[in-house]
Amino acid sequence: DAMVIQNPRYQVTQFGKPVTLSCSQTLNHNVMYWYQQKSSQAPKLLFHYYDKDFNNEADTPDNFQSRRPNTSFCFLDIRSPGLGDAAMYLCATSRGGAKEQYFGPGTRLTVT
Amino acid sequence: GENVEQHPSTLSVQEGDSAVIKCTYSDSASNYFPWYKQELGKRPQLIIDIRSNVGEKKDQRIAVTLNKTAKHFSLHITETQPEDSAVYFCVGGGFSGGYNKLIFGAGTRLAVHP
Repeated sequence: DAMVIQNPRYQVTQFGKPVTLSCSQTLNHNVMYWYQQKSSQAPKLLFHYYDKDFNNEADTPDNFQSRRPNTSFCFLDIRSPGLGDAAMYLCATSRGGAKEQYFGPGTRLTVT
Repeated sequence: GENVEQHPSTLSVQEGDSAVIKCTYSDSASNYFPWYKQELGKRPQLIIDIRSNVGEKKDQRIAVTLNKTAKHFSLHITETQPEDSAVYFCVGGGFSGGYNKLIFGAGTRLAVHP
């Protein structure tokens, strides 16, 4: 009965090697979010999709991109990972904005 | 832009005592205030939320209060138990930057000692 699924749970990539993280949901929520969470910090919103509309946070590096091919799936692409991009990446969904967000288990990214 | 400040950053209590975490927000348009609990290595999970038309909400040992005039909201946990140990995030939600979104506080690490 998993509602927000993230794959893989752990990802190791090399410095500069593109990587894609995946999120899927069974809730049929129209909003999907990507957060970056570093150790002992709050989740930091990178961007979100409201339906098909993409909303990028002003301070999200260009290195981070996202795709949402359909309601259920959303991808986070990191074009050239740096050591500072090592973090937990959390996907979340909600029905509309400013509503309860349901988080996935996260993908822990390691950059070597 | 919207800012949410959270205090204290760490809180240590004895089992059975109460714990209080306080937050302030800057955007008067904020109208949704959830609280998330995150255990080590796990996802944030909603434990309680309150909307701006309500001043207080309670769910068993957890209660939240909201003072819209002062832009303050607080989480109260009574009769704390060791399993309450986690990081708690207050969140301000509202219309910011052209769309609705949630702004997380920095978090409070709560330790409940048996």
